[in-house]
Amino acid sequence: QVQLVQSGAEVKKPGASVKVSCKASGYTFTSYDMNWVRQATGQGLEWMGWMNPNSGDTGYAQKFQGRVTMTRDTSISTAYLELSSLRSEDTALYYCARSMLGTGVYFDYWGQGALVTVSS
Amino acid sequence: DTQMTQSPSSLSASVGDRVTITCRASQTIGTNLNWYQQKQGKAPKLLIYGASSLQSGVPSRFSGSGSGTDFTLTINTLQLEDFATYYCQQSYSARTFGQGTKVEIK
Repeated sequence: QVQLVQSGAEVKKPGASVKVSCKASGYTFTSYDMNWVRQATGQGLEWMGWMNPNSGDTGYAQKFQGRVTMTRDTSISTAYLELSSLRSEDTALYYCARSMLGTGVYFDYWGQGALVTVSS
Repeated sequence: DTQMTQSPSSLSASVGDRVTITCRASQTIGTNLNWYQQKQGKAPKLLIYGASSLQSGVPSRFSGSGSGTDFTLTINTLQLEDFATYYCQQSYSARTFGQGTKVEIK
């Protein structure tokens, strides 16, 4: 069965960087794009960007350009999200989500989320 | 960026009711529209993709319709387990979500 298992909670100071991992299993990691979506407490979903694990190609939401980096290690079927210059507004639950290309692009499997808290 | 606007933001309904949630795109997006359900403390779950295709394993009381800029998610015969927040998401231009619609028990 498809599973996306994310790393644990992180606490960071403003200005620091954070790197969150997402380990995939149950499917061929390089055959599906990986996306990152975040959700602040009590708020809606915000798409951050996508990565093609096969080529390493990425596409980031304009809001995060210059601060976000998505990478992968195909040898261990793991995707990474790195967010730099953290501020308090970045406190959120960060989800990885596999995307399917069919009738449009949709997120069919999600990780459990990784809580990132930014606090001085 | 394509903005997605859902209405209503919240609604109260009873078990057995028929519920309709709408999603409007700021520009035409064809049928590149998906719906998700999120329960408290859980990751979102895909319900509908391509505006009207039911994801495998999702009960048939859920249905989606629409194209262009206006879309609808309908839940027929609301069940207790359907009380949750619902999000639309477009994939025509980058990816953006609606702000969500919370379905509460009346």
